[in-house]
Amino acid sequence: DGGITQSPKYLFRKEGQNVTLSCEQNLNHDAMYWYRQDPGQGLRLIYYSQIVNDFQKGDIAEGYSVSREKKESFPLTVTSAQKNPTAFYLCASNNAGGAISNQPQHFGDGTRLSIL
Amino acid sequence: GDSVTQMEGPVTLSEEAFLTINCTYTATGYPSLFWYVQYPGEGLQLLLKATKADDKGSNKGFEATYRKETTSFHLEKGSVQVSDSAVYFCALSDRRSGYSTLTFGKGTMLLVSP
Repeated sequence: DGGITQSPKYLFRKEGQNVTLSCEQNLNHDAMYWYRQDPGQGLRLIYYSQIVNDFQKGDIAEGYSVSREKKESFPLTVTSAQKNPTAFYLCASNNAGGAISNQPQHFGDGTRLSIL
Repeated sequence: GDSVTQMEGPVTLSEEAFLTINCTYTATGYPSLFWYVQYPGEGLQLLLKATKADDKGSNKGFEATYRKETTSFHLEKGSVQVSDSAVYFCALSDRRSGYSTLTFGKGTMLLVSP
């Protein structure tokens, strides 16, 4: 079955460490997204990518970095510059690009990151 | 910028009760509107969508109508079940740097008791 796989499901980080969250999709979607979810805050957009080797900052990109070397993969690195990284991170993908605005996003099951 | 406002939860109902979760939006242009549902410990699943004014999206007994005159997209269900307990998110498509992204409301938790 096609879908989005996020790994690991739970992740722990020590202070001052960088950590990378994996997101892989086999839906052949062009666009991929990373969101952060905090209780009572809804989802906030961190980074998004519409094509390989291109990505854009979202609303809360500070302290995060991404790469898009392959169409199916969009890893997110939470750097030590992110002062409050504890959250639930969600990856999504869709075929929306350019003028297409009615394509829903498909989501993975998320990674919960905690600080030790 | 574009924004979505949802009623705060939790919404607590008994099984078979009628459900309404209010959603209003602010946007330039003509966004598409979505409702997503999130079960505990999982990602979001698309529940329904509407792409233009007066469209009605429906799925699994849930409905929502795109009302441009009131900038609303309220979610309704005639008879809820315990299995409907989840967090519901309203979202709209918007544009950044010429590409389409989603702006979400803060979510509304629904708790249904037997």
